[in-house]
This record gives sequence, structure tokens and C-alpha cells, in this order.
Amino acid sequence: AQSVTQLDSQVPVFEEAPVELRCNYSSSVSVYLFWYVQYPNQGLQLLLKYLSGSTLVKGINGFEAEFNKSQTSFHLRKPSVHISDTAEYFCAGRVFYGGATNKLIFGTGTLLAVQP
Amino acid sequence: EPEVTQTPSHQVTQMGQEVILRCVPISNHLYFYWYRQILGQKVEFLVSFYNNEISEKSEIFDDQFSVERPDGSNFTLKIRSTKLEDSAMYFCASSGDGSYGYTFGSGTRLTVV
Repeated sequence: AQSVTQLDSQVPVFEEAPVELRCNYSSSVSVYLFWYVQYPNQGLQLLLKYLSGSTLVKGINGFEAEFNKSQTSFHLRKPSVHISDTAEYFCAGRVFYGGATNKLIFGTGTLLAVQP
Repeated sequence: EPEVTQTPSHQVTQMGQEVILRCVPISNHLYFYWYRQILGQKVEFLVSFYNNEISEKSEIFDDQFSVERPDGSNFTLKIRSTKLEDSAMYFCASSGDGSYGYTFGSGTRLTVV
């Protein structure tokens, strides 16, 4: 089955501490992988994406993610979080069907709660 | 930077009424999508649209839903007879040649009362 799994529904962390948000994808999902951030009452903003090439991808706001094919993972990391990073983070993968037509499927989201 | 524009940002409607949610995708994009997010839940795929026809739809996208690209720039989602459980944030997205990411609009919050 096509799926993207986020193992943690909520991750509490203190300000300036490092954080890792976990994401695993099923083998039937392509290796076009994305992380989106959603601030309260706002839309989805692309943080970063992996399409090919270097397995370490850098995104906006100091976030980075590492693609690991053998573990089918695409975990998101930040070495030092700020209060303003408090938001819902969604991992997503592209599924292809019928030529170039495709869609994104999302994980259930991880709420990053940064505490002072 | 090009944006996907959605209108209205918030719509309240009575159960049983028809609603049309509007989107203006990025002009040179070829693939168009609607997603839904019920409050506090995951983002769910509804439908994809390519070459003026639906390319895939989810089980959520039943006969009450339809999409249209009436004039080459707008992309609309119609719900014919809204139900309470249709209350959600609806996101429009567009994508280019399939090699890059999707751009999402800021969403329309639909409240069915």
C-alpha cells in the first residue's frame, strides 16, 4: 500500500535544543519526498524536497532532511529550534500513476511544540 | 514568486447548499489538485486534474463533488449538496512538469452549518 508514516504525533522540545521529526515511506511511494510546514490557521508551506542527488537536503528556516533509501526514511532535523518553529509538520511523498500523472500523499503530521 | 490563489478564504454555508471553491493555479503549471484537511487531521487527496480531465480521484470524491477548469486560468471545486462532514480546509495545488514540488494555495475554510 502507498503510505507515508510519521511516527510521532507530537514532539515537545525546549528552545535552542535539536529536534528530529521522523518520516518513513512505503516502497510503492516514489523517492520524490517533501516536508511541508503549517503554522496555525495558515496554509501549507514547502520546507524542502528530495528529488535526486545528494541525500542531505537543506531547506528554509535552517531545516534539513536526510533521505535514506535502505531505511525508507526521510527524517527532518534542525540543530537548534526557536519558539517560532512551533507548527505542524507534514511529510509527503509523490505517487505516480499512468505516465507523468501523480499526486502527493501525506503523513498524519507532527506537531512540533517548542517550549521556552 | 508565483502563487496559487484561492477564494474565498472562508465560506459558511447551510447544509444542503451548493458551494464553489475557486483557485487560480500558477499559469504554466499542468497538473491541478484539490486536497482537504478536516480540523486536526491529515491532509487528504481529493482529486487530480490534467489535460482537462480528472486523472485520479479518491473515495472521498463522490458524486457530490465535481471539478472544472472553465476558462484556462481558474480551477474550481463544486460540492453540490453540502453535508456537515464537508466542513474542512480545502487546499488547491498545482504542479509543473511532474519533476518538482507542488505549490499550495492558502486554503478555503468551509464551514457547513
